[in-house]
Amino acid sequence: RKEVEQDPGPFNVPEGATVAFNCTYSNSASQSFFWYRQDCRKEPKLLMSVYSSGNEDGRFTAQLNRASQYISLLIRDSKLSDSATYLCVVSEGGADGLTFGKGTHLIIQP
Amino acid sequence: DTEVTQTPKHLVMGMTNKKSLKCEQHMGHRAMYWYKQKAKKPPELMFVYSYEKLSINESVPSRFSPECPNSSLLNLHLHALQPEDSALYLCASRGGVNEQFFGPGTRLTVL
Repeated sequence: RKEVEQDPGPFNVPEGATVAFNCTYSNSASQSFFWYRQDCRKEPKLLMSVYSSGNEDGRFTAQLNRASQYISLLIRDSKLSDSATYLCVVSEGGADGLTFGKGTHLIIQP
Repeated sequence: DTEVTQTPKHLVMGMTNKKSLKCEQHMGHRAMYWYKQKAKKPPELMFVYSYEKLSINESVPSRFSPECPNSSLLNLHLHALQPEDSALYLCASRGGVNEQFFGPGTRLTVL
């Protein structure tokens, strides 16, 4: 059974703070890793892909540890607009579907 | 352009109705997907089409019938649904490094 585990939160964080999310996945054959963001009653939107070497996109940094089957997301200088549900997502690759974690709910407070 | 479009945005149907959901992408992607998402839950995979052929059916009841008329279009035909089928139905297509782009979804209510 393919599983992706995340802390559901909610994480209540003051504006400007740094927040970190983690997730673990069970299928060692997984090939592709992503963080998606989903706003209330909207579709999931790709935030970033995650690579073993780590990758950064502005205030967002993602990291993958294949040995521990662990994925992380760091958000620096958080903005009110960062409030959303962050979904950790894994794929075995090819045309396989995505396996989603249950999501971590983030609330940025002014 | 990473746009996936879906119609209708909202659909209300009775248990005896037949309706169809439509999805379209013009990114040249050759894999397209249907997901179902219930409130406060993550999306769950229903079907995968790869090169216009059904490659994965996640044991979805036959009252849901997918169709891929061409590489840009994906339909989901609905018949004799149950109230518990009410959900957000999301279509996605797959890009070059396995990322998937989602359409805005169809919010379905079955009465």
